Amino acid sequence: DTEVTQTPKHLVMGMTNKKSLKCEQHMGHRAMYWYKQKAKKPPELMFVYSYEKLSINESVPSRFSPECPNSSLLNLHLHALQPEDSALYLCASSQGRQGARNSPLHFGNGTRLTVT
Amino acid sequence: AQKITQTQPGMFVQEKEAVTLDCTYDTSDQSYGLFWYKQPSSGEMIFLIYQGSYDEQNATEGRYSLNFQKARKSANLVISASQLGDSAMYFCAMRERNTGNQFYFGTGTSLTVIP
Repeated sequence: DTEVTQTPKHLVMGMTNKKSLKCEQHMGHRAMYWYKQKAKKPPELMFVYSYEKLSINESVPSRFSPECPNSSLLNLHLHALQPEDSALYLCASSQGRQGARNSPLHFGNGTRLTVT
Repeated sequence: AQKITQTQPGMFVQEKEAVTLDCTYDTSDQSYGLFWYKQPSSGEMIFLIYQGSYDEQNATEGRYSLNFQKARKSANLVISASQLGDSAMYFCAMRERNTGNQFYFGTGTSLTVIP
């Protein structure tokens, strides 16, 4: 079983809907990530939180809004999405301390998002 | 320049045979880590194996081993005794000490194991 839990597994939403993706980890990791992935492509980094502060935003459109309520939880709020935003959204966590080059990303199972 | 290069978009291997998936990397950092992930069609990204830049021995995890050639900046994944369940996308990734929490991914290799 994965140690990073994502909900929901599947989500279908219209372009005017507001929805949220949720992610939870209890490994004590202090870095949490959102990735977007299209089929047969590598994951694309969207956001990184380090010690509950947003540390990387890869110029993601404002219709995606991340939130890190505490060290175990990560949310991604979705609003006014476009059909091209349909993708697999992966949450991941890793040790966040400086120099943790040997700490891998631990991924959740992802949310398959379809925007209609 | 690409940080991670995987030059094999697709690979085929006969069941029970060994296969090597290529990965080259580019970094000026002396301290870095290299990772391989497996992604089956179901979507989950599974961490397979890690190699540190200072590790003198090649990493091994069960049927997975990493052929690490530091001078050539390559970190190829070797899967021995391939099984049908090994059919998946495989991604090579790197994390540098100087860039902290950033991970760099290659474009991936799609492996198909033939019965």
